[in-house]
Parts: sequence; C-alpha cells; structure tokens
Amino acid sequence: DGGITQSPKYLFRKEGQNVTLSCEQNLNHDAMYWYRQDPGQGLRLIYYSQIVNDFQKGDIAEGYSVSREKKESFPLTVTSAQKNPTAFYLCASSPPDFANTGELFFGEGSRLTVL
Amino acid sequence: AQKITQTQPGMFVQEKEAVTLDCTYDTSDPSYGLFWYKQPSSGEMIFLIYQGSYDQQNATEGRYSLNFQKARKSANLVISASQLGDSAMYFCAMREFYGNKLVFGAGTILRVKS
Repeated sequence: DGGITQSPKYLFRKEGQNVTLSCEQNLNHDAMYWYRQDPGQGLRLIYYSQIVNDFQKGDIAEGYSVSREKKESFPLTVTSAQKNPTAFYLCASSPPDFANTGELFFGEGSRLTVL
Repeated sequence: AQKITQTQPGMFVQEKEAVTLDCTYDTSDPSYGLFWYKQPSSGEMIFLIYQGSYDQQNATEGRYSLNFQKARKSANLVISASQLGDSAMYFCAMREFYGNKLVFGAGTILRVKS
C-alpha cells in the first residue's frame, strides 16, 4: 500500500548527540514536510521540500537540517544545536497541484526524547 | 501572514449529540484551502474534510461538515451523532493558493462521554 513510513517510532538521545529521523514515501509526491508537535500544541513547520535537491526553512528550522537527494526520502537531522529537541516529529507529503485539495498525507510520527 | 486560531482548548460532548469545534483564520490571499485533521492518542493525523475558498457550498463528509463563513473568516467543524471513537485532538489548518505549506491551529481536545 502507498504511504509514508517514519522510523524509528521512538528514539532516545543523550544531550549533545545528533540524531536522524527517517521519512520515506511511495506516493510519488513531489512535496515533503517535517513538523514538530509539543504536548498539547499544534504542529509547527520545521522544513519543507517542493522538489528533489531543494528545500526551504519553515518557522522553527534552527537546530535542524534536512536533505532531499531522492524524491522518496526526506530525512531530518536533529542537531546538538537544538536546545529543546524532545518532541513528536511528523513527516508529511502532498502532491503540488492545488487543484487537488492539497491535503497532506502524514506518517505515524517519531517520538524523540532527550535524556 | 496566514494564521489559524482555535479558541477551545478542550470540549466535552455527550455520545450521540452534535458538537461544533471553532476555527477562525486570517489571510490576505483570496484563494486558499481550509482543512480539518483528527489526531487520536496514537499520534497519527487523519484528514477529515476540506473547504476551498471559492466553494459555494459547505463541505460535508459523512458525519463531518464544515460551517464556512467567509465574511467572518471562520471554518467551524461540526460533528454529528458523536461517537466514543471521536475522542481525539482536532486541528484546523489552512493553505494559501500561492503558499506551499499548511499552517495549523493549536488544536481542540474533544472528549465524548457515554
């Protein structure tokens, strides 16, 4: 079945370590996104990519990095520069054509805890 | 800049009754789309309903309907005949036509009582 796969589902990290969250999609979507969700709060955009080899910062990009070498993959690295990385991370994708609803398709999320 | 406001942090509703979740938005773009997503405790995001800014009729999807009042910039979600499985966090979101990202509100936690 087509969809978005995020891994790992749960991740623990020591302070000062970088960690990479994986996001893979087989929906043939051009656009991919990373959102961060803190408890009881809405989703905030970290980075997004409209096409391969191109990406833009979202509202809270500091302390994060991404790459988009393949259409199917959009990994997110949480660096040691991110001061408060403990959160729930959601990856999403969408077809770019706004004539469609522009609906985002989400993965199941990765929960990162810094010890 | 686009903005989404959900003023109800939490709501309770009796099973089988209807409930309205509020959402107001702000944008200077005349063309935009409004979305509602459901997030159960498992964390997945489930798309519920979509309303385009030029749609003449309010969107409906099964028990979900979107009360779109363009002049008031509101896009409230109405859930009819609430079920216990409707207990979840609900997010309103907006995408501008020339924008390339979805902006979310803070969410409303809905609890359905039996």
